[in-house]
Amino acid sequence: DAGVIQSPRHEVTEMGQEVTLRCKPISGHNSLFWYRQTMMRGLELLIYFNNNVPIDDSGMPEDRFSAKMPNASFSTLKIQPSEPRDSAVYFCASLSRNTGELFFGEGSRLTVL
Amino acid sequence: AQRVTQPEKLLSVFKGAPVELKCNYSYSGSPELFWYVQYSRQRLQLLLRHISRESIKGFTADLNKGETSFHLKKPFAQEEDSAMYYCALRGTGANNLFFGTGTRLTVIP
Repeated sequence: DAGVIQSPRHEVTEMGQEVTLRCKPISGHNSLFWYRQTMMRGLELLIYFNNNVPIDDSGMPEDRFSAKMPNASFSTLKIQPSEPRDSAVYFCASLSRNTGELFFGEGSRLTVL
Repeated sequence: AQRVTQPEKLLSVFKGAPVELKCNYSYSGSPELFWYVQYSRQRLQLLLRHISRESIKGFTADLNKGETSFHLKKPFAQEEDSAMYYCALRGTGANNLFFGTGTRLTVIP
């Protein structure tokens, strides 16, 4: 298994543009999480899904952020319009129900100019 | 509300010296505590969890419910221990993990 796969690895965009980050969880994992990593705030949980259903989106900063999980093998995190303060590394992770361990992707580094 | 506090953003120790990364938590129930580590150019990965009571790469962490702490310790630091370390908490019956702000450990040769 290749693990959790995220794309793109790096994205540089201009303020106001739409950004879409993608994630493929590990097959068989039923829970998927989106985290944002910054120097100041560490790892913040944005939203998570159980069986493709959003359970807790209280961490989503504002209406500019949205996330979907149309099926068990794919999720997106969208920012529209993007702002410079959204610059961060965005991680996707999936949960092994057997062990309770979170498996992380390599992250998507977003820079908004 | 649950909260994880890592008071040190940066920690530097010399090779061979003991190291302790502090983690305090706030949670009204019985939490599950974890340490995750991110080595340079690698994914964030699980280092250890309190229910396992095991030593991984020489690191141990004991859950102290009285002090609500879960400090990570190693008696003799190695250069390869240099990394970003995150303490995390999972509430009773929950799936999501809440992370602290992380501590970047640098082991000086």
